[in-house]
Amino acid sequence: GAVVSQHPSRVICKSGTSVKIECRSLDFQATTMFWYRQFPKKSLMLMATSNEGSKATYEQGVEKDKFLINHASLTLSTLTVTSAHPEDSSFYICSALPPGKRYEQYFGPGTRLTVT
Amino acid sequence: AQTVTQSQPEMSVQEAETVTLSCTYDTSESDYYLFWYKQPPSRQMILVIRQEAYKQQNATENRFSVNFQKAAKSFSLKISDSQLGDAAMYFCAYNEPNAGKSTFGDGTTLTVKP
Repeated sequence: GAVVSQHPSRVICKSGTSVKIECRSLDFQATTMFWYRQFPKKSLMLMATSNEGSKATYEQGVEKDKFLINHASLTLSTLTVTSAHPEDSSFYICSALPPGKRYEQYFGPGTRLTVT
Repeated sequence: AQTVTQSQPEMSVQEAETVTLSCTYDTSESDYYLFWYKQPPSRQMILVIRQEAYKQQNATENRFSVNFQKAAKSFSLKISDSQLGDAAMYFCAYNEPNAGKSTFGDGTTLTVKP
């Protein structure tokens, strides 16, 4: 099946710094990727839809200036958490939508972000 | 907005027995997709089963089957012959047509007792 990777798998950063998380589709091109946030033992909350070559579409309540999304190529989307605060600590999951598949998204393994 | 409700935060089942996880959803669309995902302790989301709303026949994948009741907007997952490896958090999800993005339920943590 299609493989999606995320890097890093775990990251610890200090308050006020920025951290970038990468999401790559390894064996297919993805014009659309999604970024989710998941708190412990909670559901996945969609943060934004990342479209290659255009601006991301953010869900209501998600600060676009804080969570910067760049989908610069058909295999790479990045999420940058700017000026991180401890409340940004969470598990971030990306998924990628293969072309022509309007529902079959493939998930990355997730990134654990801890802000100290 | 679409909503997905999983009313069972936790469920447990004896190994080799059968368990059913419940899911209801709300939508005004007639064409959509429903999913059950498994999230083991590794946190990797794994697709268990998928149902297209236009199909009346319930989807099955080996020991996993669904009971899709479109009029009632219900989509339950039945796990037969439960195995220890089935222990995980299970999420029901709804996909908007032509958008690809999913709305997830709050999840059900399944414990399998040996």
